[in-house]
Amino acid sequence: QQPVQSPQAVILREGEDAVINCSSSKALYSVHWYRQKHGEAPVFLMILLKGGEQKGHDKISASFNEKKQQSSLYLTASQLSYSGTYFCGTEIGYGNKLVFGAGTILRVKS
Amino acid sequence: NAGVTQTPKFQVLKTGQSMTLQCAQDMNHEYMSWYRQDPGMGLRLIHYSVGAGITDQGEVPNGYNVSRSTTEDFPLRLLSAAPSQTSVYFCASSSGLRGEQYFGPGTRLTVT
Repeated sequence: QQPVQSPQAVILREGEDAVINCSSSKALYSVHWYRQKHGEAPVFLMILLKGGEQKGHDKISASFNEKKQQSSLYLTASQLSYSGTYFCGTEIGYGNKLVFGAGTILRVKS
Repeated sequence: NAGVTQTPKFQVLKTGQSMTLQCAQDMNHEYMSWYRQDPGMGLRLIHYSVGAGITDQGEVPNGYNVSRSTTEDFPLRLLSAAPSQTSVYFCASSSGLRGEQYFGPGTRLTVT
């Protein structure tokens, strides 16, 4: 049931863009995105709900394709502070628990 | 507000010992959960609670017990520690399943 994230790792230069994908084999009710810096706790980025509602930070962009059971996180004009591991969490089954993917490691170089 | 607090920050146990990881939140959140994080495996849900007196199992509940007697506290008990339970443990709380989860700073547990 664990969602699959791709790519596993990506290296960018400052100012470049990246897309992180999250896909599930089961129907999703919501997708949650978090970022974790080394040695720290995960921090909330965005929630995308079935039906189109989104909750999150203004500078973060993401999409949720309910039919394809996929979500993508868009990081534009990357900054050094974007470095970290990005996790997607999926709600499979209404009102059920969250299952997180293995994470995508993003490194932004100057 | 302190947010979500966890104690201890570090712990070393011997195989077979038991202990309780403490978690408290001061945001009046109904939804609380415990995760373990191992390299390359992301966050795996151990147990969760949707309110005081209500708990349920996550993906990897074996070897762990929880209880939720108050809204604020959600302790995680290791019954008989095993080396496979060496991990970083995070507690999180939110206003609901589809709310922003606030994570505690984590407890790094080593079982020898």
